[in-house]
Amino acid sequence: NAGVTQTPKFQVLKTGQSMTLQCAQDMNHEYMSWYRQDPGMGLRLIHYSVGAGITDQGEVPNGYNVSRSTTEDFPLRLLSAAPSQTSVYFCASSPGGGAQPQHFGDGTRLSIL
Amino acid sequence: RKEVEQDPGPFNVPEGATVAFNCTYSNSASQSFFWYRQDCRKEPKLLMSVYSSGNEDGRFTAQLNRASQYISLLIRDSKLSDSATYLCVVKRGSSASKIIFGSGTRLSIRP
Repeated sequence: NAGVTQTPKFQVLKTGQSMTLQCAQDMNHEYMSWYRQDPGMGLRLIHYSVGAGITDQGEVPNGYNVSRSTTEDFPLRLLSAAPSQTSVYFCASSPGGGAQPQHFGDGTRLSIL
Repeated sequence: RKEVEQDPGPFNVPEGATVAFNCTYSNSASQSFFWYRQDCRKEPKLLMSVYSSGNEDGRFTAQLNRASQYISLLIRDSKLSDSATYLCVVKRGSSASKIIFGSGTRLSIRP
């Protein structure tokens, strides 16, 4: 029972490089989200999706792109990495809205040098 | 002012003690409430939902006070394994953009 799977778990990039963080869920959840977590800041929403083909911006979208071509996958792309994007990134999914809680992947630790 | 506020702690209590944290929220349109637990360097995991009438799950009790706009978490007979950060989560609607996370309260249980 995989749940939400994120890859890679760790990554070091140089400023200006691009990369894609992968997120996949096998629970047939409609809702998927990307968060970043920084010390003392809590989780902040980057982008989210309410279904395949639909994405929208969250609180801190600048410097990131997403796409949702399938229900299962929701990759996050860093276009040109900056040191300010050093963070822990979590992908989450939920069956839908309302009172449904979210299920999180185990995170990607990203360092930008 | 943050929409969801928590005392960051750390709370350092002896094993077996009872400990309680509060979380305040500023938006009266908030509809759903949760407590998540996050262990060091791990992902957040749902601890319990919080219902209007209050609810209990073993040693954990959650309460909601809509009039004063806060939720609370009470842990009885604390165990060493309860050491973690506890995140308060508030939903204002069904969209992910309406889910707000508190910064968390760190709890450390000492033997």
